[in-house]
Amino acid sequence: KAGVTQTPRYLIKTRGQQVTLSCSPISGHRSVSWYQQTPGQGLQFLFEYFSETQRNKGNFPGRFSGRQFSNSRSEMNVSTLELGDSALYLCASSLGQLNGYTFGSGTRLTVV
Amino acid sequence: GQNIDQPTEMTATEGAIVQINCTYQTSGFNGLFWYQQHAGEAPTFLSYNVLDGLEEKGRFSSFLSRSKGYSYLLLKELQMKDSASYLCAQVDNTDKLIFGTGTRLQVFP
Repeated sequence: KAGVTQTPRYLIKTRGQQVTLSCSPISGHRSVSWYQQTPGQGLQFLFEYFSETQRNKGNFPGRFSGRQFSNSRSEMNVSTLELGDSALYLCASSLGQLNGYTFGSGTRLTVV
Repeated sequence: GQNIDQPTEMTATEGAIVQINCTYQTSGFNGLFWYQQHAGEAPTFLSYNVLDGLEEKGRFSSFLSRSKGYSYLLLKELQMKDSASYLCAQVDNTDKLIFGTGTRLQVFP
């Protein structure tokens, strides 16, 4: 079965722009979580969606937002990009906690 | 907030055994995951512990002590391909996954 698919794989944006990243979970998985990974901070939790509702939110500014569609696909948006937003953005889908979370390959965002 | 502590780097020799420790805050604990992440790749699931004790899966085992807020990942018969980062992640009482910064393991021949 197909894994978690994230698009695009790589992205270069300029400060002040906005960006939208996409995540398609494994078929049947209704939970999608987003993480930011940077060398110094490790994986930081952004938010989690379940059945089109945001179920959990991390400590990121309001510039970071997301949504989930009825087919469980999720998007995250970052507005007014800053240099510090350069990172690998990972999404993970899950059937339930005991089954673990399956990660996508991520979108590497570079802000210049 | 919650602190997950694990060593930043470890080295070991092919064929050896290595233990990667992880400590976490015991309040709001709902389970602990270990993930492996090779450079440039997605993290992959290794193990999940929610009860005390040892879970064995082939060459990899994971141990949990809830009273001590302590877990370890044990890798036996190390292979070169085991060179990767190993991420400890706690599930908190809101079901969020809180990750440590990861332990980068280098296996030498």
